[in-house]
Amino acid sequence: DAGVIQSPRHEVTEMGQEVTLRCKPISGHNSLFWYRQTMMRGLELLIYFNNNVPIDDSGMPEDRFSAKMPNASFSTLKIQPSEPRDSAVYFCASSLNRMNTEAFFGQGTRLTVV
Amino acid sequence: GENVEQHPSTLSVQEGDSAVIKCTYSDSASNYFPWYKQELGKRPQLIIDIRSNVGEKKDQRIAVTLNKTAKHFSLHITETQPEDSAVYFCAASLNTGTASKLTFGTGTRLQVTL
Repeated sequence: DAGVIQSPRHEVTEMGQEVTLRCKPISGHNSLFWYRQTMMRGLELLIYFNNNVPIDDSGMPEDRFSAKMPNASFSTLKIQPSEPRDSAVYFCASSLNRMNTEAFFGQGTRLTVV
Repeated sequence: GENVEQHPSTLSVQEGDSAVIKCTYSDSASNYFPWYKQELGKRPQLIIDIRSNVGEKKDQRIAVTLNKTAKHFSLHITETQPEDSAVYFCAASLNTGTASKLTFGTGTRLQVTL
């Protein structure tokens, strides 16, 4: 397996534009997590899914952020409209839905909003 | 929800010395405590983990200890080498019954100097 795959690796966009980040989890994993990493706040959990169902989205900063998981092999995180303070590295991670199992991270998407 | 605090935020040691990173967690129900290493520009990767029924675990130069009563756990790296330089994150996992939610500490930037 190629691991968790995220795209794009880098995204530069203008303030106000819509941004869509994509994630393909490891085949067979049924939990998927979206994290945001900044220098100031570290790794923040935005939302996570179990069997394609959102379980906890309390970390989503505001209504401009939305996430979907239409099937077991694909998830998106959308920001609309984007703002400069959304600039960060966004990581997707997946794991098996068993207690105490490792979360595998994708390479991340570095988002810059100018 | 779970809150994980991590100290120190930065740590500089000379090659060959030991490094210790400490974390505390708030939710006594958490029962899985992984440590991730993130090299510059790369994804976080698991280096060692410990479960709540174990007090200590070792893997070559790395060891973790857990004190459930005090709700703190630590990472110990002995005989540090330049390739140990990275950001280290502790995490605590709270199993919600449907998925395991990982909450991360804010990270420790370890610099191993020659």
